[in-house]
Amino acid sequence: DVVMTQTPVSLSVSLGGQVSISCRSSQSLVHNNGNTYLSWYLQKPGQSPQLLIYKVSNRFSGISDRFSGSGSGTDFTLKISRVEPDDLGVYYCGQGTQYPRTFGGGTKLELK
Amino acid sequence: QVQLKETGPGLVQPTQTLSITCTVSGFSLTSYYMQWVRQTPGKGLEWMGFIRSGGSTEYNSEFKSRLSISRDTSKNQVFLKMNSLKTEDTGVYYCAREVQRFSFDYWGQGVMVTVSS
Repeated sequence: DVVMTQTPVSLSVSLGGQVSISCRSSQSLVHNNGNTYLSWYLQKPGQSPQLLIYKVSNRFSGISDRFSGSGSGTDFTLKISRVEPDDLGVYYCGQGTQYPRTFGGGTKLELK
Repeated sequence: QVQLKETGPGLVQPTQTLSITCTVSGFSLTSYYMQWVRQTPGKGLEWMGFIRSGGSTEYNSEFKSRLSISRDTSKNQVFLKMNSLKTEDTGVYYCAREVQRFSFDYWGQGVMVTVSS
């Protein structure tokens, strides 16, 4: 199985600040069709996960441009700029390139 | 509008079978893949499997032969059944719609399942 490793496990940020979350996979996430199926989800307290980014860098409908995804192969990053209170929660990366699909352990974003 | 809602037993005894129903509205099950994802204290988010728009299924081998996903398109329902439950299966079970590969755009609110005698 592809293991997804997220760092850091938790992150403290001031409102208006910027943060980066790293996600590394144990194998390349480049699919035979050339696409890289790496997604980012945010789970706010008491809620279901919500899709932020798909295929590495594509923002889902309605997602602020303060969120940006980048990376390739096995190394990926989610950046959040001008952090707002509604951004707090646990961020998960996950891969859909290989079966079984797998998620990272999560990164908890908290206020400093 | 698109809605998904899971319903399930809440409490299941070890070795018994878990049955959860995901009732959807606002779209057709014949147009989307439907996923099951669970969140447990021990393993976090785990993808369990899906049923394709055409009705075929794909499962996480972690659950081997314990898991079955099916649907009733006339009732707009997707079903999860998992047998031989263990205490480690305690967690929140979600159904989700996949808009494209590994892009789950709508999720249910989840159903908490406790496996305990």
